[in-house]
Amino acid sequence: EEQVVESGGGLIQPGGSLRLSCAVSGFTVSNTYMSWVRQAPGKRPEWVSSIHGGTSTYYADSVRGRFTISRDNSRNTLYLQMNNLRVEDTAMYSCARITQATGWIPFDIWGQGAMVIVSS
Amino acid sequence: DIQMTQSPSTLSASVGDRVTITCRASQSVNTWLAWFQQKAGRAPKLLIHKVSNLDSGVPSRFSGSESGTEFTLTISSLQPEDFATYYCQQYDSYPWTFGQGTKVEIK
Repeated sequence: EEQVVESGGGLIQPGGSLRLSCAVSGFTVSNTYMSWVRQAPGKRPEWVSSIHGGTSTYYADSVRGRFTISRDNSRNTLYLQMNNLRVEDTAMYSCARITQATGWIPFDIWGQGAMVIVSS
Repeated sequence: DIQMTQSPSTLSASVGDRVTITCRASQSVNTWLAWFQQKAGRAPKLLIHKVSNLDSGVPSRFSGSESGTEFTLTISSLQPEDFATYYCQQYDSYPWTFGQGTKVEIK
């Protein structure tokens, strides 16, 4: 079964750092287009970052320079390193797969999410 | 950034009703438009990609269409399990953006 499972969320003070992990099973993270999407309580989902191919990475303006997406092919795991966290980064963070078919199929697999709360 | 605007924000309907949700893009998204269903406490679930292509396992009562930069999600006969919030999303250009959501409630 193809699935992703996030971990690493928690309560952190403003300015702090967290690293989220997304363990992938049933497919290989190394050749898969993957993303992080977050959703604050009661708000719409917000795309955060994507990684494609060998080294292509993309970031939302709100996190560029503070967040880094990466993957460990040997562990079949996706990561999101979050530095200098702000109160407005509080949200449920989910990793999601993008599949290539005839064009792209966005976010066809999601994890259950990891909650990040930034508060003093 | 491409802005996605959905209407209505809330929709009250009964089982068996035909339901239509509209999503307008602020500029062309070249058919790279998806629809998601989200239930409370759950991750969004992909229903439709590339305007009208149903994801695997999605019931045929769901359909999608477009007219220029306006997109429509239709549920032909609303079922009890369809009461949820629906989001459109463009993936034509970064940053990928979602609509504000349409909550389908029981009338």
